[in-house]
Amino acid sequence: GAGVSQSPSNKVTEKGKDVELRCDPISGHTALYWYRQSLGQGLEFLIYFQGNSAPDKSGLPSDRFSAERTGGSVSTLTIQRTQQEDSAVYLCASSKQGAPGGNTIYFGEGSWLTVV
Amino acid sequence: AQSVSQHNHHVILSEAASLELGCNYSYGGTVNLFWYVQYPGQHLQLLLKYFSGDPLVKGIKGFEAEFIKSKFSFNLRKPSVQWSDTAEYFCAVNAAGSARQLTFGSGTQLTVLP
Repeated sequence: GAGVSQSPSNKVTEKGKDVELRCDPISGHTALYWYRQSLGQGLEFLIYFQGNSAPDKSGLPSDRFSAERTGGSVSTLTIQRTQQEDSAVYLCASSKQGAPGGNTIYFGEGSWLTVV
Repeated sequence: AQSVSQHNHHVILSEAASLELGCNYSYGGTVNLFWYVQYPGQHLQLLLKYFSGDPLVKGIKGFEAEFIKSKFSFNLRKPSVQWSDTAEYFCAVNAAGSARQLTFGSGTQLTVLP
């Protein structure tokens, strides 16, 4: 596609359930990022994938969060045993290479997660 | 680790007023600097970026930003705002040459009154 595609765009889930959020980056982009934007907060880095390198997971807030990227393309962010504080917009982004300073990062429209 | 501060959480201006949004960062080395904009109901878009060279950077829609290294600042400016500039603006930084993630400020909500 022309841009970064995320699904679902909206998800309401019950506390304690698991959720999966999907990101399809721009074709040819080797770097993929997940960010979280909570109400009234700035953007919070979660995880970064670059090619076949080990992902940078330093931003994941707890072990309930995990992400994978299959075949160097599509990524899935999984939140297990969701809590109300997980409610946020989860943004995926991609860029051509792994150095944000050298390449523009393009963001998807986000997945709005509400935990009730 | 780097950090970014945006001191203005909400700015309200009338059309044709001049705009300056503050951004200060904390990092001891060379940085790349960015401003992103998020219009209501839309995704983040890049407004402008600074890597090196002329510290005055011009972006889309008449925006510009000036990198002042001595002040660790990268303020966003526009001489005359329009109602369509109503959006949330995010400043971001990453260490130059780093493959790591951008660090974002908390954002500034700009409301332009018609």
